[in-house]
Amino acid sequence: DTGVSQNPRHKITKRGQNVTFRCDPISEHNRLYWYRQTLGQGPEFLTYFQNEAQLEKSRLLSDRFSAERPKGSFSTLEIQRTEQGDSAMYLCASSKGPGSSNTEAFFGQGTRLTVV
Amino acid sequence: AQRVTQPEKLLSVFKGAPVELKCNYSYSGSPELFWYVQYSRQRLQLLLRHISRESIKGFTADLNKGETSFHLKKPFAQEEDSAMYYCALLVRGGATNKLIFGTGTLLAVQP
Repeated sequence: DTGVSQNPRHKITKRGQNVTFRCDPISEHNRLYWYRQTLGQGPEFLTYFQNEAQLEKSRLLSDRFSAERPKGSFSTLEIQRTEQGDSAMYLCASSKGPGSSNTEAFFGQGTRLTVV
Repeated sequence: AQRVTQPEKLLSVFKGAPVELKCNYSYSGSPELFWYVQYSRQRLQLLLRHISRESIKGFTADLNKGETSFHLKKPFAQEEDSAMYYCALLVRGGATNKLIFGTGTLLAVQP
């Protein structure tokens, strides 16, 4: 599968623990996005990278959340001191960068986080 | 404010019936709109985008700037069309580049 890959697919953690998710985008895509989706809602934007630079962060992204994209390849999303309200599906997407007329975002299968 | 509204959570139709999934948007810039689909146990995938003006799997969507709408239509629904459909608005400019999604409509096509 040469699409966007996310690991793990599922994560169950106790409240207060830290978790880290990984996203491997499509190799030639230099834009990478993280979204969060809760039951009954559409995906909500969290943050956006162009290459290694994090260009935008949503107000949804509290101080407990941090995302990185070292070397402009894979990305990690870490949640510290998890809360039950963090339980959601975390989606990663990638797209081609500036100069491309193709704005399609390709999504991964997501990481489902359950905080107990 | 940037917003996408899908008023129907569920749309149930019989096979062969016409389908229209509603989407309205609010955006001060030049809109670029998409329909994404999620079949059971599969990832979110692009169905169509307004700038392509294409028909995918028999679906079409026309951007109506006057009504700020981008409704998805299909003349004859098939059972395999059953899925979750999300309308999305691309917001970009400066450092911003992101999709704003509606809450989605579950299309159920009955045999």
